[in-house]
Formats: sequence, structure tokens, C-alpha cells
Amino acid sequence: NAGVTQTPKFRVLKTGQSMTLLCAQDMNHEYMYWYRQDPGMGLRLIHYSVGEGTTAKGEVPDGYNVSRLKKQNFLLGLESAAPSQTSVYFCASSLLRSGDEQYFGPGTRLTVT
Amino acid sequence: GENVEQHPSTLSVQEGDSAVIKCTYSDSASNYFPWYKQELGKGPQLIIDIRSNVGEKKDQRIAVTLNKTAKHFSLHITETQPEDSAVYFCAASTNQAGTALIFGKGTTLSVSS
Repeated sequence: NAGVTQTPKFRVLKTGQSMTLLCAQDMNHEYMYWYRQDPGMGLRLIHYSVGEGTTAKGEVPDGYNVSRLKKQNFLLGLESAAPSQTSVYFCASSLLRSGDEQYFGPGTRLTVT
Repeated sequence: GENVEQHPSTLSVQEGDSAVIKCTYSDSASNYFPWYKQELGKGPQLIIDIRSNVGEKKDQRIAVTLNKTAKHFSLHITETQPEDSAVYFCAASTNQAGTALIFGKGTTLSVSS
């Protein structure tokens, strides 16, 4: 099993550009999450999904959109990138609910200039 | 919503010493408390967790204690080794359907030999 994979690993965007980050898991997990990690701020939840076709807002959802059209994929979109969105983005998944172990991907480092 | 505070933000110990990281949470309904370890350049990985029906759990050199009355929980690492150097995150969840984990801001542990 590959576990949780993220594409791309690195990306540089100019302010105002758009992009989509892809997360894929092959463990048949119901829950999937997107976090951003900034120095001194820990892991902050952006959006999450409790099953195919569902999404919910986390702590810092502004400026991001998500979609979960297939159970194994969770997409994070930035419609108009801003320098404040420079961060490392992690995707994670868990089997059934938040009380189950979360498996994290390797991260995507995004720089917005 | 839930708020998790984690202290200290950095911790330096000598090899063989013990390390203690403390977290407090705000939502009395929270009943699941995991600890994640993040090595440089990787995603976080679960190392131990505790549920509210127990006060302490141990796994070799690591242990977690929970005080539900005071709403705090702690990670204890004994006989620290250089490979314990990493960022450690605590988290809390009510484990209800549709909810997500809330993470603390992390503690950077450095073990010097």
C-alpha cells in the first residue's frame, strides 16, 4: 500500500494564480483532512471530509475550496493565491472518525510570490 | 470549539534524561487524546494515544497521562535518545461523527548526546 500520497511535492505560484493539490489514499478510509503547517502555528485544519461527496470547514478555510468526488481522493484548491498561503500543506486520512489514527502524507511545500 | 494549548514550544535535554510535554484542552466533551511525532521533512505519525476511560498508558519509553478534571494531558519520554529529536504534537477530539482532531502548536524536542 502506498498509504497517503500528495501531488505535487513543491510548487511556486505568483499572487493571483490558481492551483489544485491532490491527495490520494489507498486504505479505504472514510475521513480525509487538509492541514497547513506554519512555523510556530502547528497544524491548522483547513477543510475535512467525512465521506465521499461531503466536505466541512475547519479552523482556517478562507481562500481554499475542496472536493471529494471519489472516496480515495481529496482535492484542495486555491482560486487566487496570496502570499499568506505560503505554507506546507499536509493531507491525512482516518478510517472512520476523528478518534481513529490519522495517516499523513509527505506534504506539499507551496510558495506564493 | 475545542482549543488545545501545548507547552513548552521548545525543549532541550541531554541523552538519557526524561522529557515531559504538557497540553490543556477546553472542551470537556473531548475524549480522545493522541500524540504525534514529526521528523524533519516528513508528515506527523501517531506514537501513542489515550481515551478518557483511562488515566495512563505506557508503551516502552513513552507514556501519556490524562487528568480529565483538570483538562490536561502529558507526554513522558524516559531515557531519551538522539532519535527522539523531533516535533511533537498533542491533539484532542470528541470522536463524534463529523468532528475532527484539533492539534496543539507543537513542541520541538532536541536530545543532545
